[in-house]
Amino acid sequence: TQLLEQSPQFLSIQEGENLTVYCNSSSVFSSLQWYRQEPGEGPVLLVTVVTGGEVKKLKRLTFQFGDARKDSSLHITAAQPGDTGLYLCAGAEYSGGYQKVTFGTGTKLQVIP
Amino acid sequence: EPEVTQTPSHQVTQMGQEVILRCVPISNHLYFYWYRQILGQKVEFLVSFYNNEISEKSEIFDDQFSVERPDGSNFTLKIRSTKLEDSAMYFCASSEAHVGGYTFGSGTRLTVV
Repeated sequence: TQLLEQSPQFLSIQEGENLTVYCNSSSVFSSLQWYRQEPGEGPVLLVTVVTGGEVKKLKRLTFQFGDARKDSSLHITAAQPGDTGLYLCAGAEYSGGYQKVTFGTGTKLQVIP
Repeated sequence: EPEVTQTPSHQVTQMGQEVILRCVPISNHLYFYWYRQILGQKVEFLVSFYNNEISEKSEIFDDQFSVERPDGSNFTLKIRSTKLEDSAMYFCASSEAHVGGYTFGSGTRLTVV
């Protein structure tokens, strides 16, 4: 079973600050997805990165896939209270014609107004 | 925007009873998944389903679990004889292709007493 470790586990910051969340594994993934989950809801897909070294931007969120496709980071600029939630990375392995997605341990972000 | 619908939102059952969790995936999606999340823990893969058969399952998905697509729209997860440790949020997800991100439902909170 692939293991994806996220750091930090918890993060509490003031509105307007920047932050970075890391997702690390010893395994190589076909692609890596980032989700945000709010209490009592299912994860919501933010982005999928596929190519090693790829950088994708989604407004104030910047996602990077490591060159070796084993790690990823999520950087949020000028965090807002609406960014509060659980951020999950998920590594996708593809074999035999099917994809299997394994979730990371999660980073719980709280942005204080 | 199309969404994955899960019912019921909360199910309480006695240990040893059978439960069926229901999901209506997005209509043009072909790949279906069940995940679970025990309170405070990570999202764990249970099973993936394509073309009316299981494509992959995890170690958690033992003989007490089964999945079915009884008609063209529903996708169900059955737990034959529930145990206390089956208490968790169960998420259904679907995807259009065999690669890329998933769309998750809001989950069913299963409480086994």
